[in-house]
Amino acid sequence: DAGVTQSPTHLIKTRGQHVTLRCSPISGHKSVSWYQQVLGQGPQFIFQYYEKEERGRGNFPDRFSARQFPNYSSELNVNALLLGDSALYLCASNPIVQDIHGYTFGSGTRLTVV
Amino acid sequence: AQSVTQLGSHVSVSEGALVLLRCNYSSSVPPYLFWYVQYPNQGLQLLLKYTSAATLVKGINGFEAEFKKSETSFHLTKPSAHMRDAAEYFCAVSVPGNTPLVFGKGTRLSVIA
Repeated sequence: DAGVTQSPTHLIKTRGQHVTLRCSPISGHKSVSWYQQVLGQGPQFIFQYYEKEERGRGNFPDRFSARQFPNYSSELNVNALLLGDSALYLCASNPIVQDIHGYTFGSGTRLTVV
Repeated sequence: AQSVTQLGSHVSVSEGALVLLRCNYSSSVPPYLFWYVQYPNQGLQLLLKYTSAATLVKGINGFEAEFKKSETSFHLTKPSAHMRDAAEYFCAVSVPGNTPLVFGKGTRLSVIA
């Protein structure tokens, strides 16, 4: 079975631009979460979606938004990029909203803002 | 709110030596605890998890961790380190009721030949 797939793997954007990151969960998983991992830090929770509804939001500005599609894939959008948005963005999927068996993470999208 | 503290941002051990990575948690309710490993330029891989069953949890690649409520700890151990264990290790906590994972800052493990 395919794992969690994220695209693109790397991208470079200029300050002020907009970016869209994509995530396809494991087949059968209905929940997708997004995390931001700044270099040298642990991942920080951004959003969780389940059955196309937002079920949780971390402490991130409104420039960050996300959505989940009927096929359970998800997009993370970031507007008006800042240098500080440079990070590895990780997507995690799990079968239900709270999966005590552990989230499965993708390999991430490395975003560099210049 | 939950939190995790990983003691030691960098741990270095010799190949074949014991690996001990420390994690202390804070939670007002019984937690779920996880250890993840991250190899360079990759995502996170689940090593093991504690979800209120056995307090000694065995994971992949020979790692294990013991949940100690009295010490609010969940330290990760491996009896004999291999070169391939060199990576970043993250401890994470969540609690029942739709809460996201809260990660520690990570511990980088180096294995010396």
